[in-house]
Amino acid sequence: DGGITQSPKYLFRKEGQNVTLSCEQNLNHDAMYWYRQDPGQGLRLIYYSQIVNDFQKGDIAEGYSVSREKKESFPLTVTSAQKNPTAFYLCASSINGVVGHTEAFFGQGTRLTVV
Amino acid sequence: GESVGLHLPTLSVQEGDNSIINCAYSNSASDYFIWYKQESGKGPQFIIDIRSNMDKRQGQRVTVLLNKTVKHLSLQIAATQPGDSAVYFCAEGEGDDYKLSFGAGTTVTVRA
Repeated sequence: DGGITQSPKYLFRKEGQNVTLSCEQNLNHDAMYWYRQDPGQGLRLIYYSQIVNDFQKGDIAEGYSVSREKKESFPLTVTSAQKNPTAFYLCASSINGVVGHTEAFFGQGTRLTVV
Repeated sequence: GESVGLHLPTLSVQEGDNSIINCAYSNSASDYFIWYKQESGKGPQFIIDIRSNMDKRQGQRVTVLLNKTVKHLSLQIAATQPGDSAVYFCAEGEGDDYKLSFGAGTTVTVRA
């Protein structure tokens, strides 16, 4: 089945540790995104990538890092510099079409809790 | 900064009635708008989208209306069903920048 897969579904991290969230898509999409969602709030963009080996900071990039070495993979590292990392993290992908925007397809999310 | 937001954080609807969810946006350069549905603990699912060269688009039981004059977007759901209970987000995009900006969401609860 085609889709976008995030793992793990739940993740616990001790304070001061870095942790990496996985995001893989087999939709052959060029663009990939990471969003953060806090309770009762909308999605805030952390990083996005429009093509392999390139990515841009979103609105809340501080304390996060990403890489885009392969078209199908866009891992997110939550570093110890992120002051409030407990949240629901969503990965998405979209076609980089000539008509401009198209809808983004989302994974099922990773819930990160700092303990 | 400019943002996309929804008028009401919650909406309670009787099963079988029509629902209207509203969204106001402030970026006049936005040319693409999209509605997502998010069920608890899951990722958002695409409902319907509309480009700025249109003012109405219909899908299955859903209609999106775009009023560029007042920068307003709405999602209408016909004959609301219990399975429509979820959080609904509008999002906007601008030009060649592929990021989408999301509003805070409206929680829709369907009463039996």
